Amino acid sequence: DVKVTQSSRYLVKRTGEKVFLECVQDMDHENMFWYRQDPGLGLRLIYFSYDVKMKEKGDIPEGYSVSREKKERFSLILESASTNQTSMYLCASSSVYTEAFFGQGTRLTVV
Amino acid sequence: QQQVKQSPQSLIVQKGGISIINCAYENTAFDYFPWYQQFPGKGPALLIAIRPDVSEKKEGRFTISFNKSAKQFSLHIMDSQPGDSATYFCAASRGSNYQLIWGAGTKLIIKP
Repeated sequence: DVKVTQSSRYLVKRTGEKVFLECVQDMDHENMFWYRQDPGLGLRLIYFSYDVKMKEKGDIPEGYSVSREKKERFSLILESASTNQTSMYLCASSSVYTEAFFGQGTRLTVV
Repeated sequence: QQQVKQSPQSLIVQKGGISIINCAYENTAFDYFPWYQQFPGKGPALLIAIRPDVSEKKEGRFTISFNKSAKQFSLHIMDSQPGDSATYFCAASRGSNYQLIWGAGTKLIIKP
């Protein structure tokens, strides 16, 4: 069964902390994505990657960075967490032949 | 030109009724239009998708209607059931695996 796994369902972090959100897919997909989801705003793309060590900015990359050292793993990094980064974060993967599959999401609260 | 506009923001339908959610896009280069369904606490999952070479696609109780000239597409849920209560997102892209442009979502509630 297709699987995209995010390391945490819920996270609470303090302002200024460095935060790592991890995502692993077991489908050998080339493409991986990080979105944030906020009520009334839908899904907004933060970063995406079409290959290992490759990354491209999405619509709202400010305050975030990513890392893709292995094909199956895509990490989102909040260098210095702020309260306006409190949100639901969704990871997804896809390939040339398939639609996007999503993880279950990480609800991050920055206090 | 990259936007996808989705309406309504929320929708309440009686059990057995028809739920209709609409989306409009601007970029005529889009050629893949999926609908995703999201239940609380879960990530979105693909429900049904259409390409612009057809005007309608049906899968069970779910139908996408596509109007290329108007640059609009819609999701119809026939005989809506309480289990259909979820948030629905439309999206569009150039190619099925490229960056999706998302609508804002519609929270659908089916009343028993």
